[in-house]
Amino acid sequence: SAVISQKPSRDICQRGTSLTIQCQVDSQVTMMFWYRQQPGQSLTLIATANQGSEATYESGFVIDKFPISRPNLTFSTLTVSNMSPEDSSIYLCSVEGFFRTAYNEQFFGPGTRLTVL
Amino acid sequence: GENVEQHPSTLSVQEGDSAVIKCTYSDSASNYFPWYKQELGKRPQLIIDIRSNVGEKKDQRIAVTLNKTAKHFSLHITETQPEDSAVYFCAASFTDKLIFGTGTRLQVFP
Repeated sequence: SAVISQKPSRDICQRGTSLTIQCQVDSQVTMMFWYRQQPGQSLTLIATANQGSEATYESGFVIDKFPISRPNLTFSTLTVSNMSPEDSSIYLCSVEGFFRTAYNEQFFGPGTRLTVL
Repeated sequence: GENVEQHPSTLSVQEGDSAVIKCTYSDSASNYFPWYKQELGKRPQLIIDIRSNVGEKKDQRIAVTLNKTAKHFSLHITETQPEDSAVYFCAASFTDKLIFGTGTRLQVFP
């Protein structure tokens, strides 16, 4: 199966600053997604990262707050902008569509634990 | 809009007993239903999934059933072991994305 990594694994940030989270896969994938998981909660989809075009955002999430890049089929970044304590959460990327996997099968990266003071 | 409900939110069982977690979904076009297991501090792991062209799928001690007419699906774990303790999430497909249930915290007591 594909190896999915995220950097950083955790960070503590000051309010008003921005943090960029990287997601790297060791093989090409068709789809990449970004989720947020608040403490003790479920997984909420932020956006679908589209290769070579603007990301598709879910209701309640906007590009100015969560800009996303996907320059190729193995890499994506999520930036959390102008952070507030409410942004404290785990951010996870997931991927779909690598070799010998089926449509809709998603596999998650290890997550980035963000704390905003 | 699309929605997935999951019950119960917590479940405690004795080792060796069975556990059942149930989910319902809103979109009749959903055709893929995965289950993820998330241990504390770890990423969600895909443990089993089912597509709408089958009614049941089994993998050793875990099984999933799907009732498309009623729009619900269930995870069954038999002969539970302490290492089954985790949070379990169901999900349903909605076009190219997954919508997740609220999660079930399963505790298996030795």
